[in-house]
Amino acid sequence: DTGVSQDPRHKITKRGQNVTFRCDPISEHNRLYWYRQTLGQGPEFLTYFQNEAQLEKSRLLSDRFSAERPKGSFSTLEIQRTEQGDSAMYLCASRRQGGDEKLFFGSGTQLSVL
Amino acid sequence: QKEVEQDPGPLSVPEGAIVSLNCTYSNSAFQYFMWYRQYSRKGPELLMYTYSSGNKEDGRFTAQVDKSSKYISLFIRDSQPSDSATYLCAFRSTSGTYKYIFGTGTRLKVLA
Repeated sequence: DTGVSQDPRHKITKRGQNVTFRCDPISEHNRLYWYRQTLGQGPEFLTYFQNEAQLEKSRLLSDRFSAERPKGSFSTLEIQRTEQGDSAMYLCASRRQGGDEKLFFGSGTQLSVL
Repeated sequence: QKEVEQDPGPLSVPEGAIVSLNCTYSNSAFQYFMWYRQYSRKGPELLMYTYSSGNKEDGRFTAQVDKSSKYISLFIRDSQPSDSATYLCAFRSTSGTYKYIFGTGTRLKVLA
C-alpha cells in the first residue's frame, strides 16, 4: 500500500496527558497537511509543511499543539496537556508540489480524551 | 459570515435519482474548487476539482462553479447506494497560501 499512513488509528488518553501521532505521506509528496475533524463537521486546517518547513499554522491552534517534519519525510503532531475538547479525528494529507490539487488523506487517528 | 456554507443534510434519495449538492462561499480569492467524498471512518477522497469557473464532467459526476454568485454545485446522476457518504466542498485561494478550506459536509443516503 503506497497511500498515506497514520498511526495509531485510535488513541484513548486521560485529560492532562501528552499524545503524539505519526503520519507517513506518499513518498514523492513534499507537501504535508494536518487537519482536525469533529463529528458532523468538515476537516479544520491545523498546519502544513513543504518539505521540512512548516509554512502555515492555524491561528486557532493553541500553543499545546506542535507539529514537526524532520528531513521532510514523516511528520508528528503532538498535543500537550490534552483537554476533552481535543477529542476529534486527526487527519493527515499529502500532495505533490505542482501537479493537480489532489490531497491524499490517511484514515486518521481518532483521539478520545477522558 | 462563515467563509464556506454547506447544508449538512442528511439528504435521502431513491436509487437512480439525480442528486444536487451545493456550497456557497464568501472569499473572492478562492480559485480552486473541489469536491471530496468521505465514507464513515475514512479520510476524504477527491472526486473532482475545477480551476476558476465553469463546468467539469466525469462519468456520473458534474461539478459547476458560478463565481459571480460564489456558488458551487456537484450533481450526481443515476445515484447508487454506494454513493451514500458525506460530500465535502473544498476551496483554495491563490493569494499566497496552500491551505484548503472545507465545508461542513452534506450526508447523502441513496436508498435501494
